[in-house]
Amino acid sequence: SQTIHQWPATLVQPVGSPLSLECTVEGTSNPNLYWYRQAAGRGLQLLFYSVGIGQISSEVPQNLSASRPQDRQFILSSKKLLLSDSGFYLCAWSAINRAGETQYFGPGTRLLVL
Amino acid sequence: AQSVTQLDSQVPVFEEAPVELRCNYSSSVSVYLFWYVQYPNQGLQLLLKYLSGSTLVESINGFEAEFNKSQTSFHLRKPSVHISDTAEYFCAVSGANFGNEKLTFGTGTRLTIIP
Repeated sequence: SQTIHQWPATLVQPVGSPLSLECTVEGTSNPNLYWYRQAAGRGLQLLFYSVGIGQISSEVPQNLSASRPQDRQFILSSKKLLLSDSGFYLCAWSAINRAGETQYFGPGTRLLVL
Repeated sequence: AQSVTQLDSQVPVFEEAPVELRCNYSSSVSVYLFWYVQYPNQGLQLLLKYLSGSTLVESINGFEAEFNKSQTSFHLRKPSVHISDTAEYFCAVSGANFGNEKLTFGTGTRLTIIP
């Protein structure tokens, strides 16, 4: 069966520090991968998605970036965190890039920037 | 582009009472509709989805949702809620054609069950 992992589970970082959040998927190959941010009262905002190694699409301009160095690994990064980067970050995968496909979410990383 | 509106940010309901969580969408193309549930401190998981066919779709834990194209709605209902249904519920929409696969989520409705 497929599983999706995210770490760390929680993170407290000072403003201006770098960030690296990791997501890995097991039990499937060539998944579509997604990074979302969930802020209170604002639902889920799609940040990045990837249909293959090295293929990243950005949905919103921001100081975050994403990379996919391996087929089942998706990394969210920042060189300098802002207060507004605080939130709950969710990684998700789907089997193929087709409308109607279910997305499967990881447990999330709660980030607090102070 | 698609958008989703969940008007109720919080819904308190007594245990064993019925509940309806409202979801309205807008889109210029045909849509697929989803309800995801997020239990406390967890990621989201799919509750049910409408792709085609019968407009009434059901989940394994007693929830159902009905696609109403004329009212552009996909409300979620359960005739009798349990404490374990306490969670946040997100409605989501995607276009039903190539190039519109990404999900757009609503802002969520927090369902609180009162014993």
